[in-house]
Amino acid sequence: KAGVTQTPRYLIKTRGQQVTLSCSPISGHRSVSWYQQTPGQGLQFLFEYFSETQRNKGNFPGRFSGRQFSNSRSEMNVSTLELGDSALYLCASSSLRRDTQYFGPGTRLTVL
Amino acid sequence: GNSVTQMEGPVTLSEEAFLTINCTYTATGYPSLFWYVQYPGEGLQLLLKATKADDKGSNKGFEATYRKETTSFHLEKGSVQVSDSAVYFCALRPLTQGGSEKLVFGKGTKLTVNP
Repeated sequence: KAGVTQTPRYLIKTRGQQVTLSCSPISGHRSVSWYQQTPGQGLQFLFEYFSETQRNKGNFPGRFSGRQFSNSRSEMNVSTLELGDSALYLCASSSLRRDTQYFGPGTRLTVL
Repeated sequence: GNSVTQMEGPVTLSEEAFLTINCTYTATGYPSLFWYVQYPGEGLQLLLKATKADDKGSNKGFEATYRKETTSFHLEKGSVQVSDSAVYFCALRPLTQGGSEKLVFGKGTKLTVNP
């Protein structure tokens, strides 16, 4: 079974731009979560989707948003990029049993 | 609130040495506990997990026991290899209504194993 895939793997943007990251969960998984990883703050929870509905949201500004499609694929969007948004963005999916999250390789976003 | 505290690294060991990475947590009720590993340039891989008190998770020679009396989930391995060099994260999933999958992570411990 294919793992969680994330595209693109690397992105370079400038301040003020917006960006969209994509995540395809493991086949059959309906729950998708997003995390931001930075050297200073570590791994922080962004949001979680289940069956196209946002189930939980972390403490991030409204510039960070996401959605989930009927095929469980998910996207996250960051508008008006700031230098501090440079990070590794990780997506994770889990099955209906909801006992384990499986992570993708991440998207490395650099904001210049 | 929910939080995880890991021993700070980096940790440097020689091959075949014994490894312990301490992890303690604060949570309401009995959360599920996890250890994830991150190799350079990669995402997180689940190493092991435990879902209730006194459970022992194990995988690839690594072990951790869910200790509710000390709110701990320390990671151990009897004999480390160079290939174990990575960053290790302890995490908890709070017991919540609604089945949220949100994980709370520790800061991570970087392990380097020298030949």
